[in-house]
Amino acid sequence: NAGVMQNPRHLVRRRGQEARLRCSPMKGHSHVYWYRQLPEEGLKFMVYLQKENIIDESGMPKERFSAEFPKEGPSILRIQQVVRGDSAAYFCASSPRGRSGEETQYFGPGTRLLVL
Amino acid sequence: GIQVEQSPPDLILQEGANSTLRCNFSDSVNNLQWFHQNPWGQLINLFYIPSGTKQNGRLSATTVATERYSLLYISSSQTTDSGVYFCAVVSLGGAQKLVFGQGTRLTINP
Repeated sequence: NAGVMQNPRHLVRRRGQEARLRCSPMKGHSHVYWYRQLPEEGLKFMVYLQKENIIDESGMPKERFSAEFPKEGPSILRIQQVVRGDSAAYFCASSPRGRSGEETQYFGPGTRLLVL
Repeated sequence: GIQVEQSPPDLILQEGANSTLRCNFSDSVNNLQWFHQNPWGQLINLFYIPSGTKQNGRLSATTVATERYSLLYISSSQTTDSGVYFCAVVSLGGAQKLVFGQGTRLTINP
């Protein structure tokens, strides 16, 4: 019973390039959440998605960031024209049904993005 | 929005000692989770505990929802317990997102 999977685990990009982070939720889970952890800080919510729907993107920066969770395949967090300040660990979590936030969110191992 | 405060921010102990980590939150919650982030950055689920008491080996947790706090107990600490411990909550009636505290950095010396 595989847990939440994220890839790549480490990603290096130069300023101005695009970063694509992938998240496969646990089997049977249809709710995905993305969180960002800046160096020496706690995790901050970015976006909450169900299959083919963005439910809450209140934590997403207004520009350059987008997320999707298609009917088939993993959830993708996309960062266009990366800047040094985007360097962080990006964690994905999943839960079975959402249920008003009452369920455990299970976290993946994270993707460490380094922007040179 | 809901505020989450963890204390102490740092804790240094000798192997074998016991410790208590505290999490205060400013509003009613319907989800509270404790995590351990190990030195390699992995985030490990410890407990889902919006109320009550749970135990798992040397770790236990208690949440007193009416008083808006949770405690994580670690007994007979081992060096592998080192890392940062995070408390995170979902506000009752609010958005379905975990709001994290700033963490307690625990260092267990041999």
